[in-house]
Amino acid sequence: EVQLVESGGGLVQPGGSLRLSCAASGFTFSSYSMNWVRQAPGKGLEWVSYISSGSRTTNYADSVKGRFTISRDNAKNSLYLQMNSLRAEDTAVYSCARVSPGSNYVFDIWGQGTMVTVSS
Amino acid sequence: QSALTQPASVSGSPGQSITISCTGTSSDVGSYNLVSWYQHHPGKAPKLMIYEDSKRPSGVSNRFSGSKSGNTASLTISGLQAEDEADYYCCSYAGSYTSYVIFGGGTKLTVL
Repeated sequence: EVQLVESGGGLVQPGGSLRLSCAASGFTFSSYSMNWVRQAPGKGLEWVSYISSGSRTTNYADSVKGRFTISRDNAKNSLYLQMNSLRAEDTAVYSCARVSPGSNYVFDIWGQGTMVTVSS
Repeated sequence: QSALTQPASVSGSPGQSITISCTGTSSDVGSYNLVSWYQHHPGKAPKLMIYEDSKRPSGVSNRFSGSKSGNTASLTISGLQAEDEADYYCCSYAGSYTSYVIFGGGTKLTVL
């Protein structure tokens, strides 16, 4: 079964750091570009970051640029999001999403997400 | 880049058809055939329903269809069923010099 499972969320104080992980299974992870997408409580979806299959290209939303770093370990079938200098407005459910092999900018497989709460 | 504009809520009775609109600009929705639609039941993983404006992934019911006119894309669900009740999000490529993609604010579909 094709699956993405996020972990690493939790409660962190403003200014703190957190590292999220996304474990992929059921497909050849190294062949796919990946993304992080978040949803703040009561809000819509917001794209956060992109990484190409071989890690050559990364991209970030302006709201997280300079604070978040996306990375991947294809040998471990894992995607990561290092989040530093966290702010209250970063509170959200963070989900990883696979880019469709047939169409760029389309997310064909998603995880259920992991909750990040930034609060003192 | 502002989020795409969707109605906050729509509703319909079982068997009816509903349409959810998604309005962007000539820089995103209107410039590319790259609008996708996602169904999200809270607490579950979002599901791709439509991509490239009107294409349906394998396994998605043909009750779901997508279209676009100018800067506005639309998702139509015909023959409404109880399990269609969910949040629906549109998404568009936003141009190479901006955010990778932008999402709509989401529409809550209630099946009466």
